[in-house]
Amino acid sequence: RKEVEQDPGPFNVPEGATVAFNCTYSNSASQSFFWYRQDCRKEPKLLMSVYSSGNEDGRFTAQLNRASQYISLLIRDSKLSDSATYLCAISGGNKLVFGAGTILRVKS
Amino acid sequence: SQTIHQWPATLVQPVGSPLSLECTVEGTSNPNLYWYRQAAGRGLQLLFYSVGIGQISSEVPQNLSASRPQDRQFILSSKKLLLSDSGFYLCAWRTGGNSPLHFGNGTRLTVT
Repeated sequence: RKEVEQDPGPFNVPEGATVAFNCTYSNSASQSFFWYRQDCRKEPKLLMSVYSSGNEDGRFTAQLNRASQYISLLIRDSKLSDSATYLCAISGGNKLVFGAGTILRVKS
Repeated sequence: SQTIHQWPATLVQPVGSPLSLECTVEGTSNPNLYWYRQAAGRGLQLLFYSVGIGQISSEVPQNLSASRPQDRQFILSSKKLLLSDSGFYLCAWRTGGNSPLHFGNGTRLTVT
C-alpha cells in the first residue's frame, strides 16, 4: 500500500460547481498535513495546511479525519483559474510524502 | 522574508555526463532542505533531505548524491547521468517540525 494515495482524476467540473478531493495515508503517526497546488510545468505551491479542527480559506475548506486516515479538500464556486493538479502532503518526522495528485479541470 | 533560489531552470545533458544542481535559501537559519524529482506525469519522489550541514539522508538508492556544504546551500550531483534521470528536480526548505515545505522554481533536466 502506498504511503499517500489520491484519485488521479481528472475531475471535470463546470464553473461554479463544488468539488471535493480526498487523500488517504497509511502512517497513523503522521503529524502534519498539507494541500498544494501545482500548475503545469511549475513548482508546487502551498494552498493550505490542514488542522485537526478543520480550516477554511475563502472558497477552500480542508478537513482531517484521523480515525479513517484521510484528509479532504473542498472547493466551492469553482473558477476557471482553479484548474490545476492538487497534491496532498503528509509529514511524519523530517520527511514529507506527497500524493501523486488529483487533476482538476474547471470548464466554462 | 525567506526566498529559495534554484538553478539552472532547464538543462539538457548527454548520457554519461556529470550533473550539479544548486539550491540556496535566504532569510532563515538551519532550514531542513530537500531534493525531490518529478518524472513526467508523475508524483514527487523524495531523493534526499538534510537537517543540518553535512547531514544527508538518502531515500532512494541511485546514481545521485547530495551535499550540504553550508547551512543554506544544498547541491545535487551525479557523476554519470542516465536517461532515467530526466525529470523535474525541485529543491525545497522548511523550518522543521510540522511546518510546510516551500519549493524553488525547479530544474527541468533532459538527458539525451
